Amino acid sequence: DGGITQSPKYLFRKEGQNVTLSCEQNLNHDAMYWYRQDPGQGLRLIYYSQIVNDFQKGDIAEGYSVSREKKESFPLTVTSAQKNPTAFYLCASSIRVTAGDSYEQYFGPGTRLTVT
Amino acid sequence: AQRVTQPEKLLSVFKGAPVELKCNYSYSGSPELFWYVQYSRQRLQLLLRHISRESIKGFTADLNKGETSFHLKKPFAQEEDSAMYYCALFHTGGGNKLTFGTGTQLKVEL
Repeated sequence: DGGITQSPKYLFRKEGQNVTLSCEQNLNHDAMYWYRQDPGQGLRLIYYSQIVNDFQKGDIAEGYSVSREKKESFPLTVTSAQKNPTAFYLCASSIRVTAGDSYEQYFGPGTRLTVT
Repeated sequence: AQRVTQPEKLLSVFKGAPVELKCNYSYSGSPELFWYVQYSRQRLQLLLRHISRESIKGFTADLNKGETSFHLKKPFAQEEDSAMYYCALFHTGGGNKLTFGTGTQLKVEL
């Protein structure tokens, strides 16, 4: 079964704890992305990676960290420094990194994180 | 700075009525725009891209550079069109990435 997988579907943590969200793809895509989806705010980019061992901050990177040690994996850690971590997190990937008529991002099913 | 604006949080229409979901953008370069859709309990997925000038599920969107708009249109709404729609802008400034609008929830009523 090909595509992007995210685990777990639901995650509950206590305030002050770091938590890592998993994102795996077997599409052989070069680029991977992490978004946060909040009601009324759309999707906001947290981090993205266009190639293994390289990643860039998105628009709301504070309180988050990532790694890209393998092409198929792009885990996101939500640290205790993130002030409002409760949200729905979406991972995506794309085969291309540049614009063009084949550019498309493929999304995972998401992880809903609740921090209390 | 690049920005995508979707002014309507919710759009409610009757089945068979025309639909127009508004999207305006701000970008200094040559824009490349997309519409993504999220049906209930499904993943976010690409609906259409302006560069392909395609019609998907009866939806079309024309890029109007003069008005900096990329509105999504369908002449006759169907119940299965009910979903969350996001307009997105691909830009290269500061890295190759998409900027999404805040989304419009389309509800098609019988």
